[in-house]
Amino acid sequence: DAMVIQNPRYQVTQFGKPVTLSCSQTLNHNVMYWYQQKSSQAPKLLFHYYDKDFNNEADTPDNFQSRRPNTSFCFLDIRSPGLGDAAMYLCATSPGDRGTDTQYFGPGTRLTVL
Amino acid sequence: SQKIEQNSEALNIQEGKTATLTCNYTNYSPAYLQWYRQDPGRGPVFLLLIRENEKEKRKERLKVTFDTTLKQSLFHITASQPADSATYLCALDVNNAGNMLTFGGGTRLMVKP
Repeated sequence: DAMVIQNPRYQVTQFGKPVTLSCSQTLNHNVMYWYQQKSSQAPKLLFHYYDKDFNNEADTPDNFQSRRPNTSFCFLDIRSPGLGDAAMYLCATSPGDRGTDTQYFGPGTRLTVL
Repeated sequence: SQKIEQNSEALNIQEGKTATLTCNYTNYSPAYLQWYRQDPGRGPVFLLLIRENEKEKRKERLKVTFDTTLKQSLFHITASQPADSATYLCALDVNNAGNMLTFGGGTRLMVKP
């Protein structure tokens, strides 16, 4: 089945140790998103790619970076994780048809920072 | 400031009853609004989209209304089942850019047998 895949599902890292989360999609969608979601809160958009064009949200900390080497893959790099970065990280895709895009989410990666 | 508000308190209802969830927004004029379902530890799943010129949208046991004057959407689940228990998120394209969604905090629905 076409889908959005995230690896790993659970990631444990140490305070300050860089970590990379990965996302892949078989939907051939133009747009890929990264969200951060903390317990009982709304998913918060960190950044998105429209094809190769990177769009960073104004309040996304510099500690968070992203790479999209090709259409199928997108990575979230957290350069120096802090305790406040512990959260669920959600990857999503959308076709890129302006006006009524719906988003397809992966299962998420739960990040624990020790 | 711009806000999307959903009732943060859990909604508990009895199986077979109709669940009604509310999404209110301020300072937006969205072209459409979407509803998603999220189960614990999973990503959201798209349910319904309603456009600004549509008053009501239905899909099986789901119904969504959109009142742009009141700046409110209502999400109904009729004949609710325990399997409907989840968190339901509304989302708006706040910039009318076509690809960007801002999510409400969600309302957790618990359907008791």
